[in-house]
Amino acid sequence: QSALTQPRSVSGSPGQSVTISCNGTNTDVGAYNFVSWYQQFPGKAPKLLIFDVYKRPSGVPDRFSGSKSGTTASLTISGLEAEDEADYYCCSYAGVYSGIFGGGTKLAV
Amino acid sequence: EVQLVESGGGLVQPGGSLRLSCAASGFSFKNYWMTWVRQAPGKGLEWVANIKYDGNEKFYVTSVKGRFTISRDNAKNSLYLQLTNLRPEDTALYYCARTTTGATFFDSWGQGSLVTVSS
Repeated sequence: QSALTQPRSVSGSPGQSVTISCNGTNTDVGAYNFVSWYQQFPGKAPKLLIFDVYKRPSGVPDRFSGSKSGTTASLTISGLEAEDEADYYCCSYAGVYSGIFGGGTKLAV
Repeated sequence: EVQLVESGGGLVQPGGSLRLSCAASGFSFKNYWMTWVRQAPGKGLEWVANIKYDGNEKFYVTSVKGRFTISRDNAKNSLYLQLTNLRPEDTALYYCARTTTGATFFDSWGQGSLVTVSS
């Protein structure tokens, strides 16, 4: 199974909003409402940002939001801050207790 | 506080074997499914394997089936990944992560253990 498709990079200025897309298929993103997003800084472990498409764990600012339409999920970061500069990965449940990640998107602020 | 600490990585020749361990603390380990995720140098994340809370069900990505074995010891709050018949493309940082029932997302991660497969 191929990785979910994300743009390699996106950029934005402080205070702006950016949206990162995550394209899947009818056997993963399109089939389940189990999309999650992770933030990763260089040399660090990933951190959960969004789960079940749009839910935020406690402690994650509401500037981060998730959505899904068909086979495409999206992460929107509003009010960009310099410390948001990181890599972002989407992940979808893909059936039979398996997961599939996107290739990752580098955000430049 | 949830803590996951991996160990056991290192340099191994192609065809060799290695056993990774993950020591868990700060939560009731026996009640959670657990996962291994890997990241090749400069590349993205790849889900590798899941194990049910009681160890009775295990699931693997196709590329490691028959070569890797995930296991756990709930009495020792520990997760393991036995890697055999290693290939250069298995070179990666291996993360241990806590997951939900059914493994729909990964809410806590360790810092990773590096496995390098090279002659």
